[in-house]
Amino acid sequence: NAGVTQTPKFRVLKTGQSMTLLCAQDMNHEYMYWYRQDPGMGLRLIHYSVGEGTTAKGEVPDGYNVSRLKKQNFLLGLESAAPSQTSVYFCASSLSGGASEQYFGPGTRLTVT
Amino acid sequence: KQEVTQIPAALSVPEGENLVLNCSFTDSAIYNLQWFRQDPGKGLTSLLLIQSSQREQTSGRLNASLDKSSGRSTLYIAASQPGDSATYLCAASDSNYQLIWGAGTKLIIKP
Repeated sequence: NAGVTQTPKFRVLKTGQSMTLLCAQDMNHEYMYWYRQDPGMGLRLIHYSVGEGTTAKGEVPDGYNVSRLKKQNFLLGLESAAPSQTSVYFCASSLSGGASEQYFGPGTRLTVT
Repeated sequence: KQEVTQIPAALSVPEGENLVLNCSFTDSAIYNLQWFRQDPGKGLTSLLLIQSSQREQTSGRLNASLDKSSGRSTLYIAASQPGDSATYLCAASDSNYQLIWGAGTKLIIKP
């Protein structure tokens, strides 16, 4: 099993450009999450999904959109990138919410100039 | 609003020492508390998960405790090794099952 994979690993965008980050999991998990990690801060939840076809806002959803068309995939979109979105983005999945352990992907380092 | 704090931000100890990492949270109404390890440039690996009804969990040389009344969790690492060098993060699960994260403690084990 590959676990949780993320594409791409690195990306540089110019302000105003758009892009999509792809997260895939092969563990048949119901829940999937997108986080961002900034220096000196804990991870912050952007959006999450409790099952195929569902999405919900996390702590810092502004400027991002997500889709969960297939159970194994969770996409994070930036419609108009801003320098404040420079960060490392992590995707995670879990069998269910609450008590379930979260499994993380390796991260995507995004720089917006 | 739940806040999670980890102090110190960095810690350096000689190999072989036992050590304790601290995590505090402001709202005792947590669902569970989890400890993760993060290696440079890598994702996060779950180490231990303590349910709100439990007091501790153990895995190998790691032992995590939870005291909800005082808003504290500790991660005890026995007989530290250079391979334990990493950033350790704790996260508390709130009533919406979302994880609230500390900023982490960067641990360096000196050979």
